[in-house]
Amino acid sequence: AQTVTQSQPEMSVQEAETVTLSCTYDTSESNYYLFWYKQPPSRQMILVIRQEAYKQQNATENRFSVNFQKAAKSFSLKISDSQLGDTAMYFCAQSAGGNKLVFGAGTILRVKS
Amino acid sequence: DAGVTQSPTHLIKTRGQQVTLRCSPKSGHDTVSWYQQALGQGPQFIFQYYEEEERQRGNFPDRFSGHQFPNYSSELNVNALLLGDSALYLCASKTGWFTYSGANVLTFGAGSRLTVL
Repeated sequence: AQTVTQSQPEMSVQEAETVTLSCTYDTSESNYYLFWYKQPPSRQMILVIRQEAYKQQNATENRFSVNFQKAAKSFSLKISDSQLGDTAMYFCAQSAGGNKLVFGAGTILRVKS
Repeated sequence: DAGVTQSPTHLIKTRGQQVTLRCSPKSGHDTVSWYQQALGQGPQFIFQYYEEEERQRGNFPDRFSGHQFPNYSSELNVNALLLGDSALYLCASKTGWFTYSGANVLTFGAGSRLTVL
């Protein structure tokens, strides 16, 4: 069964600094997708960034980038120039066996002014 | 462009009762998934509907059932509620069955918070 592990329950960062959230996963599939979702207090899950496993180039979206290490099954999220609005729960997820997503337990990120 | 809408936003039930949660997918989406998110945990996949049929199911008992209508909206029904069913229930939609490539990403609603007393 596919599993996603986020080993950091909570992280804090000063505004304008950089923070990296860790994620490891386990799968036997050859092609899959990896995602980082953000869930603010409003509860709505918002897609931050997506990586297709067969693409070696790391995905980037403005201040957000990933470090995808396929052999190590690692998928970390780097947030540059952190902003107060980045404060949220961040979930790492993997597509597994068709359409379903398997999520990690999440990392609470607090951006401090 | 309306995103995924869910109703109700909050509800309280007692053990043994039944509940129905509703979801309207984002415009242009035809595939609907349901996830259960217990407090402090990540979402767990319940099932997914495409072309009005349940196509994939997670590890949830038969008390959890669903339906998809011709307009692609969906319902989640939970019978014989248990205290452990208290959670945020998230609906998500996308286009088509399999791929997550290109513009085809899973869009989530804000959820329905169910409390079972």
